[in-house]
Amino acid sequence: QQQVKQSPQSLIVQKGGISIINCAYENTAFDYFPWYQQFPGKGPALLIAIRPDVSEKKEGRFTISFNKSAKQFSLHIMDSQPGDSATYFCAANQAGTALIFGKGTTLSVSS
Amino acid sequence: EAGVAQSPRYKIIEKRQSVAFWCNPISGHATLYWYQQILGQGPKLLIQFQNNGVVDDSQLPKDRFSAERLKGVDSTLKIQPAKLEDSAVYLCASSLKSGILHFGDGTRLSIL
Repeated sequence: QQQVKQSPQSLIVQKGGISIINCAYENTAFDYFPWYQQFPGKGPALLIAIRPDVSEKKEGRFTISFNKSAKQFSLHIMDSQPGDSATYFCAANQAGTALIFGKGTTLSVSS
Repeated sequence: EAGVAQSPRYKIIEKRQSVAFWCNPISGHATLYWYQQILGQGPKLLIQFQNNGVVDDSQLPKDRFSAERLKGVDSTLKIQPAKLEDSAVYLCASSLKSGILHFGDGTRLSIL
């Protein structure tokens, strides 16, 4: 009920390609779904987030797609760049509670 | 604005020893979190504070871990005695609004 399941565990994409990372959740009370980006030796940083009243949110090259009925959401990185190489975490929570994180996806963008 | 400050950045101790980590959140952030991040995994909540009160400590191993936030600002997390499985990065985060967490760079703990 409290898990957030993330896939794939790792991803290799060519420069200019599209990176797609998926997450699934069980708790229908969750109402906030962020994606965090983490570089080695640094703490996670908020990348983009969505609430279930919309199906898609886009910020620059980053897009979240949200499917409430399937209880799934995904991160799309368009025109992937070597600087996007990092670990990405999906997360979810309901108001007032702490974020629950997925296990992470290590993205490598080859030049 | 200054970010979340954590110290030390690295700590190496032997099992059964004790260790303490310190966190200074972003000014004005009432909510403070301690997360444990084991290598290759996502952050796992240990404890959540709202001002100086505990909101959620359900996943804190209370036989060995303790945390406090006495004046509603700085916080310390202590492990006593440490076990090999406690090797991890301990992340502190603070938030003004629910869900928007600002993380520090963590303390990497190695247990020998």
